[in-house]
Amino acid sequence: EAEVAQSPRYKITEKSQAVAFWCDPISGHATLYWYRQILGQGPELLVQFQDESVVDDSQLPKDRFSAERLKGVDSTLKIQPAELGDSAMYLCASSLSVGARVIGYTFGSGTRLTVV
Amino acid sequence: SQKIEQNSEALNIQEGKTATLTCNYTNYSPAYLQWYRQDPGRGPVFLLLIRENEKEKRKERLKVTFDTTLKQSLFHITASQPADSATYLCALEKGRRALTFGSGTRLQVQP
Repeated sequence: EAEVAQSPRYKITEKSQAVAFWCDPISGHATLYWYRQILGQGPELLVQFQDESVVDDSQLPKDRFSAERLKGVDSTLKIQPAELGDSAMYLCASSLSVGARVIGYTFGSGTRLTVV
Repeated sequence: SQKIEQNSEALNIQEGKTATLTCNYTNYSPAYLQWYRQDPGRGPVFLLLIRENEKEKRKERLKVTFDTTLKQSLFHITASQPADSATYLCALEKGRRALTFGSGTRLQVQP
């Protein structure tokens, strides 16, 4: 079964350092999402791509976070500088749609970030 | 603003019983609603999607209902097993296909 690949699985970084996460969506899925999940809460959308274009980044803290999907395939999420409050699970997901109907939505296993 | 409420208290049931989880939402009219399972330290796993024009959907031991008048979805697991123990998340389509999630309900099935 096709999977959304994410790396690294775990990351520990010191505050004020830079950190980057990588995601490879399911082949053919044009829409890619980055979510952040704080322990005990549901995932919250950070940024959504349609192919290589950003569709929604209204919840992305743009002073320190950036995301790109240069060729419309894999994507990188970067935090610089990291803060203690950024400790969370960062989840990537991709979806396939036919017209307005979503017919597949798959999450990766996530990257657990700890900022110390 | 949009709000999704799931029972934050853990649900404890005996093996073989039916588990029923609730998802209520306000200030929203979603085109569809999804339910996910999440195990500790893992990403959510898609279980079922139900559209606004569907009242009920089933998949093996799972059943989801969607009442757009009450703004509520119920998620049932029949003949529950200890392996069903996990957190279950309700998610609504946010617009442009992104999802807004509830905080999840933890289910514990006792053998």
